[in-house]
Amino acid sequence: NAGVMQNPRHLVRRRGQEARLRCSPMKGHSHVYWYRQLPEEGLKFMVYLQKENIIDESGMPKERFSAEFPKEGPSILRIQQVVRGDSAAYFCASSPSRLADTGELFFGEGSRLTVL
Amino acid sequence: KQEVTQIPAALSVPEGENLVLNCSFTDSAIYNLQWFRQDPGKGLTSLLLIQSSQREQTSGRLNASLDKSSGRSTLYIAASQPGDSATYLCAAGRGANNLFFGTGTRLTVIP
Repeated sequence: NAGVMQNPRHLVRRRGQEARLRCSPMKGHSHVYWYRQLPEEGLKFMVYLQKENIIDESGMPKERFSAEFPKEGPSILRIQQVVRGDSAAYFCASSPSRLADTGELFFGEGSRLTVL
Repeated sequence: KQEVTQIPAALSVPEGENLVLNCSFTDSAIYNLQWFRQDPGKGLTSLLLIQSSQREQTSGRLNASLDKSSGRSTLYIAASQPGDSATYLCAAGRGANNLFFGTGTRLTVIP
């Protein structure tokens, strides 16, 4: 059973470009979470999705950031018009049910975005 | 708002020593507390998960305790090994969908 797969592992963008980060959850997992880890800071929750639905996006900046988890295919975190402050590691995690029910999250290895 | 603090930020110990990592959280209304390990450039690996109704969990040389009333959790590592060198993160489960992470303790075990 493959783990949570994220790609690309490393992404370099110039200011103003778009970044697309992909996450394939573990098999059988329909709950996906995105976290951001800024240098020297802890992981911060961004968004929680189930198939085709955004459940909680309270941690995601209201502008330039969007996320989706279509019926088919991976979850995508999209950052438009990137700025230097977006440089961070973006982690995806998946679970088989709600976090409050099982508490267990399985993390991918992250996508490291560098904005020049 | 939940704040999670980990002390110390970094720790170096000689191989074989027992050690304790500390985690404190401000809001005691959590449903679980998890400890993760993060190696440089890698993702997070779950080590131990303590539900709010439990006091501790053990896995091999690792033991984690939870005291909700005081807002504290500890991770005890017995007989440390160089392979234990990593950053250890604690995370408090609060709200329907969220884990609140500390900034981690960077552990170095010296051979």
